[in-house]
Amino acid sequence: DIQMTQSPSSLSASVGDRVTITCRASQSITIYLNWYQQKPGKAPNLLIYAASSLQSGVPSRFSGSGSGTDFTLTINSLQPEDFATYYCQQSYSTPRTFGQGTKLEMK
Amino acid sequence: EVQLVESGGGLIQVGGSLRLSCAASGLIVSGTYMTWVRQAPGKGLDWVSIIYSGGTTLYADSVKGRFTISRDILKNAVYLQMNTLRAEDTAVYYCARDSALSGFYGGTYYGFDVWGQGTTVTVSS
Repeated sequence: DIQMTQSPSSLSASVGDRVTITCRASQSITIYLNWYQQKPGKAPNLLIYAASSLQSGVPSRFSGSGSGTDFTLTINSLQPEDFATYYCQQSYSTPRTFGQGTKLEMK
Repeated sequence: EVQLVESGGGLIQVGGSLRLSCAASGLIVSGTYMTWVRQAPGKGLDWVSIIYSGGTTLYADSVKGRFTISRDILKNAVYLQMNTLRAEDTAVYYCARDSALSGFYGGTYYGFDVWGQGTTVTVSS
């Protein structure tokens, strides 16, 4: 199975900040990498797929980059509704493993 | 509107069985890949099982031999039969569509683009 490792596990930031979350795969997954946002008590929401493609309806302040084993999710100009937990996931092979999550908290 | 609605969760004793249902509207379950993902209390997301459009099924090692994913074309629903339940199966269970998405530079990539609201399974000893 492909292991996904996110860093940091938690992050404190303020409204208006730019934040970056990283995700590393245990082997090359080319660009088969997705990012999800999850708020407490809610199902996850797909933000980015294919490493950098923005899912329909997701604000453009969210962006993704990377290929191979190293990926980043960047949120420009943080908004109050962006404080949540973020997960990366590989879709290169089954099982479709997730990272352990990054909790973005308000400073 | 595309929607998934899970049901069937509850409190069950270790060793018991439970069947979760996922009713779909706005999509055809037999025409897409459907998955189950679970989340233990306070923990991250854990992929459980998938049923492909052709009917092939796959499972996480942790549930293989105990859980069975299936679908009913007439009811347009997906199911997760869970047997020999363990305390560590306690989680919120989500069904999701594993959708084929077109990449910005071309190509087809898969992502869970539609999720249900989740149903809670608690396995007690």
